[in-house]
Amino acid sequence: QKEVEQNSGPLSVPEGAIASLNCTYSDRGSQSFFWYRQYSGKSPELIMFIYSNGDKEDGRFTAQLNKASQYVSLLIRDSQPSDSATYLCAVNFRMDSSYKLIFGSGTRLLVRP
Amino acid sequence: KAGVTQTPRYLIKTRGQQVTLSCSPISGHRSVSWYQQTPGQGLQFLFEYFSETQRNKGNFPGRFSGRQFSNSRSEMNVSTLELGDSALYLCASSTRLLRETQYFGPGTRLLVL
Repeated sequence: QKEVEQNSGPLSVPEGAIASLNCTYSDRGSQSFFWYRQYSGKSPELIMFIYSNGDKEDGRFTAQLNKASQYVSLLIRDSQPSDSATYLCAVNFRMDSSYKLIFGSGTRLLVRP
Repeated sequence: KAGVTQTPRYLIKTRGQQVTLSCSPISGHRSVSWYQQTPGQGLQFLFEYFSETQRNKGNFPGRFSGRQFSNSRSEMNVSTLELGDSALYLCASSTRLLRETQYFGPGTRLLVL
């Protein structure tokens, strides 16, 4: 069973703080990892993807991947109220000769002004 | 470049009816995936089409089907609707198969009465 686990939250942080969102996955062979942001009533919006171990930075966002420990995280620096949303972690699993993108249930982030 | 478009945006049906949803991918994207999102189950993969062929399939009953046309546009059909089919149906496109980053459309919100 391929699984992606996220804490549902809500994770509440004050404006300007660092928000840390975590995700674990079950398949050691997974190759691609994605973070999506979803505002209430809207569709998921891609924030970042990461393929290699280590950190990947894009503006206020940093994705961290540790394949040995099977976790991927997303750090949001200088959090803003507009960052309040549900963050979905997605992992690409190889199953037989095909791939499936499995989403976690999402972590709800609340940034307090 | 225009994003993924989905029609209709909202739909109300009654049990036993069937419904067809449409998705137009980003220009140049040949892979179209469909997802169902509900509060209880989260975002679940339905199937993926690439070059008019179904390449991947999730764990949904045969009432859920789809197809892709030569211009990469895709349709999803649900027959014999059940109350539990009420959900947000999301279409996502990417350049190749699920290894690549996917971009979501706005979704079709289906309510089954």
